Amino acid sequence: ETGVTQSPTHLIKTRGQQVTLRCSSQSGHNTVSWYQQALGQGPQFIFQYYREEENGRGNFPPRFSGLQFPNYSSELNVNALELDDSALYLCASSWDNSPLHFGNGTRLTVT
Amino acid sequence: AQSVTQPDIHITVSEGASLELRCNYSYGATPYLFWYVQSPGQGLQLLLKYFSGDTLVQGIKGFEAEFKRSQSSFNLRKPSVHWSDAAEYFCAVGAATSGTYKYIFGTGTRLKVLA
Repeated sequence: ETGVTQSPTHLIKTRGQQVTLRCSSQSGHNTVSWYQQALGQGPQFIFQYYREEENGRGNFPPRFSGLQFPNYSSELNVNALELDDSALYLCASSWDNSPLHFGNGTRLTVT
Repeated sequence: AQSVTQPDIHITVSEGASLELRCNYSYGATPYLFWYVQSPGQGLQLLLKYFSGDTLVQGIKGFEAEFKRSQSSFNLRKPSVHWSDAAEYFCAVGAATSGTYKYIFGTGTRLKVLA
């Protein structure tokens, strides 16, 4: 059973740039969720994808967007990066509402 | 509003000592509750979950948690801590809002284990 994998592991971007983070869900899982974890904080829900459609969104601006592909993998895109976007971005997959399985995250630094 | 509170930011225990990490939640319906552990630079690993039934749930690595509805608590316990348990621990509630099922996490408790 392959777990959740995320790429890249680390990324450094400049304010105003755009970034794409990738996630391969665990085999057999049909739902992907993205969370942002700022330093010293718990993860915050960004959005969830189910059957290639956004299925709910947290308190994040529209410059945070995503995609889910037919193989249930997913991308998180962030436009117009701000310094406060520096965080660990966690992808999690699940089968419907089963417990979330998390990847190791992508550490994004915005300078 | 739905929320999770972990009152202890840091906890230090000696190896072999018992451990209890506190978690209080605010949620209108019957909650789904979780404890996750995060080692430095890693993602979150599920320790245990409570959906319904027996209020004392067993998890991996010798952890257990007890759901107390009257106290809105879901405290994590371990009888004897090992040095490898040093990590950050997150309590979460599964919340359904407008058709979306998401997790609300606490701010975490960082556990330090003394040899």
